[in-house]
Amino acid sequence: AQTVTQSQPEMSVQEAETVTLSCTYDTSESNYYLFWYKQPPSRQMILVIRQEAYKQQNATENRFSVNFQKAAKSFSLKISDSQLGDTAMYFCAFMNPPTSGSRLTFGEGTQLTVNP
Amino acid sequence: AAGVIQSPRHLIKEKRETATLKCYPIPRHDTVYWYQQGPGQDPQFLISFYEKMQSDKGSIPDRFSAQQFSDYHSELNMSSLELGDSALYFCASTFPSGMSSGNTIYFGEGSWLTVV
Repeated sequence: AQTVTQSQPEMSVQEAETVTLSCTYDTSESNYYLFWYKQPPSRQMILVIRQEAYKQQNATENRFSVNFQKAAKSFSLKISDSQLGDTAMYFCAFMNPPTSGSRLTFGEGTQLTVNP
Repeated sequence: AAGVIQSPRHLIKEKRETATLKCYPIPRHDTVYWYQQGPGQDPQFLISFYEKMQSDKGSIPDRFSAQQFSDYHSELNMSSLELGDSALYFCASTFPSGMSSGNTIYFGEGSWLTVV
């Protein structure tokens, strides 16, 4: 079974600074998908960024980017120019090769606080 | 853009009662997932459906059942409710791989179940 590990239960950053959240995973598959989801206090689960394992180029979405190291099975999220609205729980998630109904497996989450 | 719709948003039930949660996936999405998120925990996969057939099963109690209907909406039925069933229940949906944003799972806002 695939496992996802987030070793940082909590992190904090000053507004406008950059922060990196870590995630490692374990799988024997070569084709899979990785995601970062954000869960603010409203508890809504919001997709932040998505990475296909077969793509070497790291995904970016505005202020959010990832550092995908396939050999090391590492998938970190970098948030640049942090904003107060970035305060949330961040979950790293793994999805098996694209077959119908492939489940999403989550890490334990990292609570990020952006301080003014 | 249309999102995943869940109802009811909040539900209070007594122990041993039954509850039914409903989920309406994003139009053209044919895969539905159910997740349970307890306080301070990451979401746990319960069950998924693809084209109205169960496609994967996770840590869903035997007291729970679910199905996907011909219009692709899904219902999660929970019987003999226990205090430990109190949680946020997410429904999520996706559509088959091969499309530009396939294999990304989009979440509804969740249904809060409180068992008293």
